Amino acid sequence: RKEVEQDPGPFNVPEGATVAFNCTYSNSASQSFFWYRQDCRKEPKLLMSVYSSGNEDGRFTAQLNRASQYISLLIRDSKLSDSATYLCVENFGNEKLTFGTGTRLTIIP
Amino acid sequence: EAGVAQSPRYKIIEKRQSVAFWCNPISGHATLYWYQQILGQGPKLLIQFQNNGVVDDSQLPKDRFSAERLKGVDSTLKIQPAKLEDSAVYLCASSLREWGAKNIQYFGAGTRLSVL
Repeated sequence: RKEVEQDPGPFNVPEGATVAFNCTYSNSASQSFFWYRQDCRKEPKLLMSVYSSGNEDGRFTAQLNRASQYISLLIRDSKLSDSATYLCVENFGNEKLTFGTGTRLTIIP
Repeated sequence: EAGVAQSPRYKIIEKRQSVAFWCNPISGHATLYWYQQILGQGPKLLIQFQNNGVVDDSQLPKDRFSAERLKGVDSTLKIQPAKLEDSAVYLCASSLREWGAKNIQYFGAGTRLSVL
């Protein structure tokens, strides 16, 4: 079983809609999680950290459910510029990050 | 602040040839990582350095891949000899040595390797 699993998509969503991705992880001892964004042919960049209490940054909301071992990312009022691949990332606590395969999102005008 | 620098951006070689990639991390970042990202997949860690010491190289194919960070700053990753399946983007990342939620890694633009 993969350590971090994501639906690869693609998700094709009309502009202005709300879209949500889930990601499951297998290691219950994982300490922290992140969402990274990767544009086509570019490097991954940190989108947001995921805290146990949930956190929000503008149109983006991240949630962590330790009981069910998944994290989620919600994007509200989606923009064309949100089109990218979203990578779910697990940190086991030794400075090593484990990346999911990514979920590809395309926002349609 | 300057980001993570990598070169070259692109490299095309034939199988069984050798290739080397270079990375200069963000100034002051003690931890340096090399990742391999195959098309359609997430980055996979190859090796992690803490200053000039190796922390984790468990996923580095040591029969053909090698990496060094001699002075604890910049790093090189070498493949010798290359195979077709090595075609990928090689990403370098660096981070301050902070635990948990503060362990943010910053990535370079990567080197896109094509092995023919």
